[in-house]
Amino acid sequence: AQSVTQPDIHITVSEGASLELRCNYSYGATPYLFWYVQSPGQGLQLLLKYFSGDTLVQGIKGFEAEFKRSQSSFNLRKPSVHWSDAAEYFCAVGNNNAGNMLTFGGGTRLMVKP
Amino acid sequence: DTAVSQTPKYLVTQMGNDKSIKCEQNLGHDTMYWYKQDSKKFLKIMFSYNNKELIINETVPNRFSPKSPDKAHLNLHINSLELGDSAVYFCASSSDTGELFFGEGSRLTVL
Repeated sequence: AQSVTQPDIHITVSEGASLELRCNYSYGATPYLFWYVQSPGQGLQLLLKYFSGDTLVQGIKGFEAEFKRSQSSFNLRKPSVHWSDAAEYFCAVGNNNAGNMLTFGGGTRLMVKP
Repeated sequence: DTAVSQTPKYLVTQMGNDKSIKCEQNLGHDTMYWYKQDSKKFLKIMFSYNNKELIINETVPNRFSPKSPDKAHLNLHINSLELGDSAVYFCASSSDTGELFFGEGSRLTVL
């Protein structure tokens, strides 16, 4: 069974500082990996995705993530955080079988200090 | 134009009542889903439909019954509501690439 762990429940960074959100997954084959962002009272918006190819993927809003098969990780990074990045971030793993079912991690709440 | 829209956005009701949440997508996707997000923000899949056929049915009480009249709609009906059903319910759809497009959620509060 596939699973996703986001070890950090809360992270607080200062505006302008760099950010890394951790994600570890468990899946038997090559996974499809996603990062979603959820602002308060909103649905989830896709930031970026990895299916194959280049292991460093670029997303929207200046985010990037790197797939490391040896570490079963897909960490999300941003070089300089803006106050508007404060939100809940979810990592997810999926496959193209079983109806494209995504399994989500528990989420990381990002708070940004001025 | 909202890609995945669900109604109502908020629903407050008494225990024991029956309620429905509707979902429509205009993306032309074949697959639609219902996810439940609990108070700790944990997201768990409930159902998945592909071209109006049920393909995933996770361990969900049979008080929850999805209905897909066509591939653009997936409604969720809940009978005999319980306190533990209080959550935010998200509808989503996906294309062949596996990316999910979510609605804005329907917050259900059972009193």
